[in-house]
Amino acid sequence: AQSVSQHNHHVILSEAASLELGCNYSYGGTVNLFWYVQYPGQHLQLLLKYFSGDPLVKGIKGFEAEFIKSKFSFNLRKPSVQWSDTAEYFCAALTSGSARQLTFGSGTQLTVLP
Amino acid sequence: DTAVSQTPKYLVTQMGNDKSIKCEQNLGHDTMYWYKQDSKKFLKIMFSYNNKELIINETVPNRFSPKSPDKAHLNLHINSLELGDSAVYFCASSQGTGGYGYTFGSGTRLTVV
Repeated sequence: AQSVSQHNHHVILSEAASLELGCNYSYGGTVNLFWYVQYPGQHLQLLLKYFSGDPLVKGIKGFEAEFIKSKFSFNLRKPSVQWSDTAEYFCAALTSGSARQLTFGSGTQLTVLP
Repeated sequence: DTAVSQTPKYLVTQMGNDKSIKCEQNLGHDTMYWYKQDSKKFLKIMFSYNNKELIINETVPNRFSPKSPDKAHLNLHINSLELGDSAVYFCASSQGTGGYGYTFGSGTRLTVV
């Protein structure tokens, strides 16, 4: 079964610092990858997604992620975080096959200090 | 217009009761899902329906019964509620198998006392 790992459980940064959140997946076949964000008390919102092609994908709010197939990784980055980026971030993978489902990592809580 | 709407937003109930959570999507998607988010924020899929047919049924107690009257609605009925059922339940929808991602509802926070 596929799995998604996020090794950073809680990241604390000051405003304007650069961000990188790690995500690794365990699946050898074709996989679609996503990052979602959940602001406090709200639902999950899609930040960005990767299907194929350019491994560097850009999303909303200045976020980007790089797919590195050899490392089974899909790390999320932002050059300069803002206080409003404080939220829970989830990496997710959707595998190919007949019973596709979106499998989430355990999430990373990002706290940005003003 | 809310794309995926869930009701109620909050639900507090006693152990042993039966309750339902409703979900509706107006995106024209043909697949809908229920996810459970526990106190540690971990998200786990419970059920998936495609065009009113159950396609994914993860290891969930049979006290949980999803019902899809049409492809725009997926309701979740829970019998004999237990303390461990306390969580946030998210409904989601996608077109097909979700290659473009899922759209999530705002969640229902269920508290069993």
